[in-house]
Amino acid sequence: EAQVTQNPRYLITVTGKKLTVTCSQNMNHEYMSWYRQDPGLGLRQIYYSMNVEVTDKGDVPEGYKVSRKEKRNFPLILESPSPNQTSLYFCASSPLPGQMNTEAFFGQGTRLTVV
Amino acid sequence: AQSVTQLDSQVPVFEEAPVELRCNYSSSVSVYLFWYVQYPNQGLQLLLKYLSGSTLVKGINGFEAEFNKSQTSFHLRKPSVHISDTAEYFCAVSLFSGGYNKLIFGAGTRLAVHP
Repeated sequence: EAQVTQNPRYLITVTGKKLTVTCSQNMNHEYMSWYRQDPGLGLRQIYYSMNVEVTDKGDVPEGYKVSRKEKRNFPLILESPSPNQTSLYFCASSPLPGQMNTEAFFGQGTRLTVV
Repeated sequence: AQSVTQLDSQVPVFEEAPVELRCNYSSSVSVYLFWYVQYPNQGLQLLLKYLSGSTLVKGINGFEAEFNKSQTSFHLRKPSVHISDTAEYFCAVSLFSGGYNKLIFGAGTRLAVHP
C-alpha cells in the first residue's frame, strides 16, 4: 500500500530539548516536503526536497532543519524547540514537478506540544 | 504573491442538504487546483484535482468542483451531504516556481453536518 509514515503521532517535549520527527515514503517519490498546520492559517511549507541531498527552505523554515540522505526518508529536526513550534506537522511526498498527475500524498500528522 | 482564499471558515449544514465550499485563488500563471479533505485526527486525503480539460471535475464521495478561470475560483459542491462528510476541507494551488512544485493551501473550511 502506498503511504507516507510519520513518527511519532503525538509528542510533548520541553523547550530546548532537541527532537526529530521521522517521515518515510514507499512510492519512490523524488519530492518531499514538511508542512505545519495552525488554526486559521492552513498548511504552510517548512522545507522541501527535490531529491537526495537536495533541500531548500519553504515559507516558514526558522527553527527547523531537515536532511535527505536516502530517497525514502525526510526527517524534520528541531534543534531547540520553542512553544511557538507547537503545531500539527505533516510530511508529504509527490513525483517530480511538472508531471501531469502530480499529487501530494500526506502522512497522518504529528501533533507536537512544546512546554 | 500567489494566494488561496477560502471564503468561509465554517459551514454548518443539515444532512441531505446541498453544500458549496468556496475557494478563490490569485495567480498570474497557469495552475493546478486541488481540494483535500482532513477527517478528525487524520492526514489530508485528495478529493479531486483540476489539471486541464473539462472545467467540471468529479471527485470521490460525490463531490465535484468547477474551475472558473475568469473568476479565478474553484468552488467545491455536493448535492446531498452525509454526517460522515463532517471534516475540514482545504483548497490548494500547485505552482511551478523556481524549478519546483509548490502547494499553497487556503486556511481551510470546517464543514459540520447536523442530523
